Amino acid sequence: QQQVKQSPQSLIVQKGGISIINCAYENTAFDYFPWYQQFPGKGPALLIAIRPDVSEKKEGRFTISFNKSAKQFSLHIMDSQPGDSATYFCAASIGSGGSNYKLTFGKGTLLTVNP
Amino acid sequence: DGGITQSPKYLFRKEGQNVTLSCEQNLNHDAMYWYRQDPGQGLRLIYYSQIVNDFQKGDIAEGYSVSREKKESFPLTVTSAQKNPTAFYLCASSIRGVTAQHFGDGTRLSIL
Repeated sequence: QQQVKQSPQSLIVQKGGISIINCAYENTAFDYFPWYQQFPGKGPALLIAIRPDVSEKKEGRFTISFNKSAKQFSLHIMDSQPGDSATYFCAASIGSGGSNYKLTFGKGTLLTVNP
Repeated sequence: DGGITQSPKYLFRKEGQNVTLSCEQNLNHDAMYWYRQDPGQGLRLIYYSQIVNDFQKGDIAEGYSVSREKKESFPLTVTSAQKNPTAFYLCASSIRGVTAQHFGDGTRLSIL
């Protein structure tokens, strides 16, 4: 059972455009939603994260939008650059106040930004 | 600089052989994790440990074993029981109680 569904599998965007990656989750107990960026041959790096008490979080060109009622969250990359070309993973976990910090990952989106 | 070191970067396993992947962190993190990454499959949790001398199975623990004798070290053994070991293995760590996980640069395991 896939608890976090990510789309699209791949995305091609022109330089300067907006990249949008979407994730949907099933478990309403999830309370932490990070996005990771991974370059080939490297480990994932935490990009930005959100908790369900806010609907949007922005850090530079990266924004997470969160819709609790729809159980969906998305990553928006504004002014996309060729250096943003990487695989992006969404994830979710149940952690607040508990002892289980397991992250459940989506299957990833390969983003290519053309110059 | 603090970080997570995984070694070796590439590893080859012969049939019937156990191999051990190293993961060391100097971030003073309590929790450590092992993931397996296959093309198009995302990251799947193998084992995790929140304190020394304690660890729990993740979603795909069969054919793997771990130990946590020191806070900074969490080695993963891929046993001969793991019939499809070819994958990219990632180690991560986090502060206990905080879910942000920091990853190493992985070990790519292949079968000879």
